[in-house]
Amino acid sequence: DIQMTQSPSSLSASVGDRVTITCRASQSISSYLNWYQQKPGKAPTALIYAASTLQSGVPSRFSGSGSGTDFTLTISSLHPEDFAIYYCQQTYSTPQTFGQGTKVEIK
Amino acid sequence: QVQLVQSGAEVKKPGASVKLSCKASGYTFTNYAIHWVRQAPGQRLEWMGWINAGKGDTKFSQKFQGRVTITRDTSASTVNMELSSLRSEDTAVYFCARETTAGRRVSFFDHWGQGALVTVSS
Repeated sequence: DIQMTQSPSSLSASVGDRVTITCRASQSISSYLNWYQQKPGKAPTALIYAASTLQSGVPSRFSGSGSGTDFTLTISSLHPEDFAIYYCQQTYSTPQTFGQGTKVEIK
Repeated sequence: QVQLVQSGAEVKKPGASVKLSCKASGYTFTNYAIHWVRQAPGQRLEWMGWINAGKGDTKFSQKFQGRVTITRDTSASTVNMELSSLRSEDTAVYFCARETTAGRRVSFFDHWGQGALVTVSS
């Protein structure tokens, strides 16, 4: 199985900060990488697919980049509603696997 | 609007089976695959398997092979997932999710059910 490792596991930031989350795959996954946001007690919602394509309705302050094994999710300016857990997911091979999550907390 | 509505929470004893349902609405049911993903308390999301709602083909994670069954009822636009031989480690929130494709091999989960907590305890 392809292992997905995110860093950091958690971070504290303030409203307006720029935040970058990294996701690393244990082998190349081309650009078959998605990002999700999950708030407490809720299902995840899709933010980015194919490494860098913004899902419909997602604010443009979210962006994704990378290919191969290293990927990043960037929030250009944190809004209060962005405090959540973020997961990456690879769909290159079965089983699809997720990162362990990055919790973005209020500083 | 697209909705996936799951059945409710379940409490089961070790060794029992649980069957969860996921009712879809707001789109053509047979045009999309439905996946099941679970999340144990404080843990990462874990993919279990999927069903092509049109053809009925299924594929499962090897971790759950032999213990999981996914079926669909096209007349009811519902996907069911049954997990057998439950153990305490199966305690988790189980989500169904619709897969949408966006080009050659590109796919992601664009709609999710609300989740169903399954508690396995003696």
